[in-house]
Amino acid sequence: EVQLVESGGGLVQPGASLRLSCAGSGFTFSSYWMSWVRQAPGKGLEWVANIKQDGSEKYYVDSVKGRFTISRDNAKNSLYLQMNSLRAEDTAVYYCARDRTWYDYWGRGTLVTVSS
Amino acid sequence: QSALTQPPSASGSPGQSVAISCTGTSSDVGGYNYVSWYQQHPGKAPKLILSEVSKRPSGVPDRFSGSKSGNTASLTVSGLQAEDEADYYCNSYAGGTNVLFGGGTKLTVL
Repeated sequence: EVQLVESGGGLVQPGASLRLSCAGSGFTFSSYWMSWVRQAPGKGLEWVANIKQDGSEKYYVDSVKGRFTISRDNAKNSLYLQMNSLRAEDTAVYYCARDRTWYDYWGRGTLVTVSS
Repeated sequence: QSALTQPPSASGSPGQSVAISCTGTSSDVGGYNYVSWYQQHPGKAPKLILSEVSKRPSGVPDRFSGSKSGNTASLTVSGLQAEDEADYYCNSYAGGTNVLFGGGTKLTVL
């Protein structure tokens, strides 16, 4: 059974940093692109970033370029999102998802709240 | 790029059919057959219900179907059931590194 489990969310002040993790199991993690998708409270879904199987290609939505970094460790079947210079508008539930140009498996999400 | 356009709400009675539209441009929905649809119940993660316009993953009832005409994709839910009440989001590849989601449609089963 494919499982994705996110962790690392929490309440931080504007300007702070946070690192999210996503542990994958039940599939060959290293064979798939992976993405982070977020959902602000009461709002719709927004793709944030994705990363190629070997980590050689990474892409970001414009609003997080230069602040967020996506990475992966295939030996640990893990996906990461390093978030720096956090803003109030980054407040959202962050989901990791297996990326096949569609998102066939999603984690339950981790809530990031940016507030003073 | 702008988000794809979905109606904010849709409704139908049990047993009826309802269609939800997703309108983009020739650079996204109209240009690729990579339109997918997701169902999200309150407090839950999104769930893939259709990929590549009309392909249903294993376990998704055949009451869910998809189509595309020009720059508009559609999700049709036939034989509405109470458990179909949820938010539905469309998604399209938009070339290069662009990924777009629709704003979501709240489906109410009357």
